[in-house]
Amino acid sequence: KNEVEQSPQNLTAQEGEFITINCSYSVGISALHWLQQHPGGGIVSLFMLSSGKKKHGRLIATINIQEKHSSLHITASHPRDSAVYICAVRAEDTGNQFYFGTGTSLTVIP
Amino acid sequence: EPEVTQTPSHQVTQMGQEVILRCVPISNHLYFYWYRQILGQKVEFLVSFYNNEISEKSEIFDDQFSVERPDGSNFTLKIRSTKLEDSAMYFCASTGAYEQYFGPGTRLTVT
Repeated sequence: KNEVEQSPQNLTAQEGEFITINCSYSVGISALHWLQQHPGGGIVSLFMLSSGKKKHGRLIATINIQEKHSSLHITASHPRDSAVYICAVRAEDTGNQFYFGTGTSLTVIP
Repeated sequence: EPEVTQTPSHQVTQMGQEVILRCVPISNHLYFYWYRQILGQKVEFLVSFYNNEISEKSEIFDDQFSVERPDGSNFTLKIRSTKLEDSAMYFCASTGAYEQYFGPGTRLTVT
């Protein structure tokens, strides 16, 4: 059973393209996180969302609580954006348990 | 910028041995977590810790696992008798007001 589904699994884009990564989840949540995992394995938190939209530089994250869906957008993509992007949700009924998606592997070609 | 640190970065151990993975969370954070990621698989939640006790744990976190905050700074994960399938990257994280901060991970290899 996958509480969190991401699409696409793999994505290759040309530098400068607008990128969208999607996340759907099946459980009630108190928060959703977008994470970036670098090739070396390190994980960086990009956003935490409980509603609406957040923007940080070229990254935008949105969430629709009713539809149980979130998107991560990257504008003007760059090769340094190449990484695995992971959606993780904090389940509402188990206050501190997190469920992770399998990640979207993004490669941006110069 | 504050960061979560983990030691060691890589641990090799023999099956059946006990290992302790160490983490120093960000000092004013209150919630602490351990996750694992088996090579090529997704990150999995192991346990969360708040106010000096476990607040949530997953099915993976069986009696072979334990966590401790032995002093005001360290947060440890102990695996009592390691199995081959415990080989994975183990991440510690701590939470402030909004985001989770992840440590760089400890790669555990059980031979």
